Amino acid sequence: KAGVTQTPRYLIKTRGQQVTLSCSPISGHRSVSWYQQTPGQGLQFLFEYFSETQRNKGNFPGRFSGRQFSNSRSEMNVSTLELGDSALYLCASSWEDRDTDTQYFGPGTRLTVL
Amino acid sequence: QQQVKQSPQSLIVQKGGISIINCAYENTAFDYFPWYQQFPGKGPALLIAIRPDVSEKKEGRFTISFNKSAKQFSLHIMDSQPGDSATYFCAADSSGGSYIPTFGRGTSLIVHP
Repeated sequence: KAGVTQTPRYLIKTRGQQVTLSCSPISGHRSVSWYQQTPGQGLQFLFEYFSETQRNKGNFPGRFSGRQFSNSRSEMNVSTLELGDSALYLCASSWEDRDTDTQYFGPGTRLTVL
Repeated sequence: QQQVKQSPQSLIVQKGGISIINCAYENTAFDYFPWYQQFPGKGPALLIAIRPDVSEKKEGRFTISFNKSAKQFSLHIMDSQPGDSATYFCAADSSGGSYIPTFGRGTSLIVHP
């Protein structure tokens, strides 16, 4: 069974640009969550999608957005990039609920903003 | 602000020793407490998780101890092995997504052979 895949694995952007990251969950999983990991702030929850609906949202500015498609694949978008957005962006999927079903993480997308 | 405080930041133990990592949370609405293990270049992986209705959960060499009144929980790794060398994160979450999941800052564990 294939794990969670994220594309691209590495990305370099400049300030002011926007970026879209993609996540393909484990087959059958309907919940997809996104996290930001930085040395300074650690792991922080961005948002969770379930059946194409945002179910939960972390404390990030509106520049961070996401969506989920009918096949459960998810994308997150960051507009007007700032230097502080440089981070490892992790996607995780679970069957339905992240607190009752095991949440599986992808390898992440390393975003560097210059 | 909902915080989860994790200590120590780094830990060095000898092979066969016991590794202990502690976490403390503030919001009593949290009712799911997972521990994750992360190797360099990889995403975190769920190691073991506990709910507040039990005080201890054991899976192989890994044990979570939970103290609801003190709002603290800890991970014990028995017979630590060099392969356990990784970063460990505790987290606090809530059923139904009432509160956003909150993570500790992580503990870098090195197990010397």
